[in-house]
Amino acid sequence: DGGITQSPKYLFRKEGQNVTLSCEQNLNHDAMYWYRQDPGQGLRLIYYSQIVNDFQKGDIAEGYSVSREKKESFPLTVTSAQKNPTAFYLCASTASGRGTDNTQYFGPGTRLTVL
Amino acid sequence: AQSVAQPEDQVNVAEGNPLTVKCTYSVSGNPYLFWYVQYPNRGLQFLLKYITGDNLVKGSYGFEAEFNKSQTSFHLKKPSALVSDSALYFCAVRGDTGRRALTFGSGTRLQVQP
Repeated sequence: DGGITQSPKYLFRKEGQNVTLSCEQNLNHDAMYWYRQDPGQGLRLIYYSQIVNDFQKGDIAEGYSVSREKKESFPLTVTSAQKNPTAFYLCASTASGRGTDNTQYFGPGTRLTVL
Repeated sequence: AQSVAQPEDQVNVAEGNPLTVKCTYSVSGNPYLFWYVQYPNRGLQFLLKYITGDNLVKGSYGFEAEFNKSQTSFHLKKPSALVSDSALYFCAVRGDTGRRALTFGSGTRLQVQP
């Protein structure tokens, strides 16, 4: 997990509330990603960002929003529009460009529970 | 579109025996293939990857994987399983062009019995 931090580790939300999950990396990676993990479904891509001030929707972006104002930070907001937000959320980053390590490294995750 | 199939939800093996966790993939262009391991309530830890070169890739903790282009497979193997290898294993793929995000399989739970 080293180099990527996610906070909080556990988060509880009431229905109708927006919450923001933090992801910070000190690996000097250009690209960052958010995944959602549900039991038996593997990881699904929510949003990704290849460079500062730019991001793209992944496969399940509805009900989520992101920003990428700094290279080190890629916060994810789970909005009230997300119908089933209870899940384990994982942030990842990777270097990009020719000749770089292509490995995605993951943070420790945030478990979000809607009450 | 790219996809990964891990056909076994769970693999059971006795400690000291060899283990195999299966993975097949579909992707446009040349594949970048990865194996990750996850322990309960933790993030994913990188085990090994295939980008190019030798089809047999060696990784962390004694694991290895064999890239087979004709069968579009990338099975994870270990000659002698340990109880501590018990965890959830994910195979992932992306192509060498376009979107760089990984597509993951649904995971295989490995249970090593003492």
